Amino acid sequence: DAGVIQSPRHEVTEMGQEVTLRCKPISGHNSLFWYRQTMMRGLELLIYFNNNVPIDDSGMPEDRFSAKMPNASFSTLKIQPSEPRDSAVYFCASSLTGGWGGYTFGSGTRLTVV
Amino acid sequence: AQTVTQSQPEMSVQEAETVTLSCTYDTSENNYYLFWYKQPPSRQMILVIRQEAYKQQNATENRFSVNFQKAAKSFSLKISDSQLGDTAMYFCAFAPLQGGSEKLVFGKGTKLTVNP
Repeated sequence: DAGVIQSPRHEVTEMGQEVTLRCKPISGHNSLFWYRQTMMRGLELLIYFNNNVPIDDSGMPEDRFSAKMPNASFSTLKIQPSEPRDSAVYFCASSLTGGWGGYTFGSGTRLTVV
Repeated sequence: AQTVTQSQPEMSVQEAETVTLSCTYDTSENNYYLFWYKQPPSRQMILVIRQEAYKQQNATENRFSVNFQKAAKSFSLKISDSQLGDTAMYFCAFAPLQGGSEKLVFGKGTKLTVNP
C-alpha cells in the first residue's frame, strides 16, 4: 500500500489566492482527518469524515476554510481567500473505524502564504 | 475538555543510553487509547506505540516501552539503547472514545536529540 498520499508537498501562494490541498487515504480506511501543525499551536484537528460524511468540523478556523470528501478515495481542503496566518503544515490522516490502530498520516503539505 | 501535556520541550541523550519522555493527560473517561508518535525531520508522522486504557500491562515495541499510570493519568515513553535515528519530535496523543468519536488530541511535543 502506498500509504496516505497528499499533494502538493509544498505550496507557496500570494495572499488572497485560493489554495486547494488534496488527500488520498489508504484503501479500505473509512475515516479521514485533516490536521494543521504550527509552532505556536501544535497539531490541531480541523475536520474529520467518517464514510465520506463530515462528523466534526468544529476545528475549522473560519468560513474561508472548507473541506470535501466526494468519495472514499479523495478529499480536499480549500482555503479561499488565503492569508499569511494560514501558513502551516497541513496533514491528512486516515484510519479504520473502531480499529484503533492509530492514524496513518500523509507526508503533509507545507503551505506558505506571502 | 481533554488535554495532553508534555512538560519537556526539549531533551537530549547520548547514543546507546536510555531516555524517558513524559506525558500527562486530563480526562474524566474510563476507556480511551493513548499513543506516541514520532516526527523526524522528514516531517512524516510515525506511530511508535499505543496503549489501551483498560489493559494494565504496559505496551512494548522493541526498544520502545511505556509506563502507563492510569490513576495518575501519566503515559511516559522510554527509549532504550537510543540510536541516532531516534532524533525527532515525539508527540503524545489521547483518543477519547466518548460518543464514538475518533479524534486524537495531541500534546505540543518533545524534541529529542540523540548525540553520538
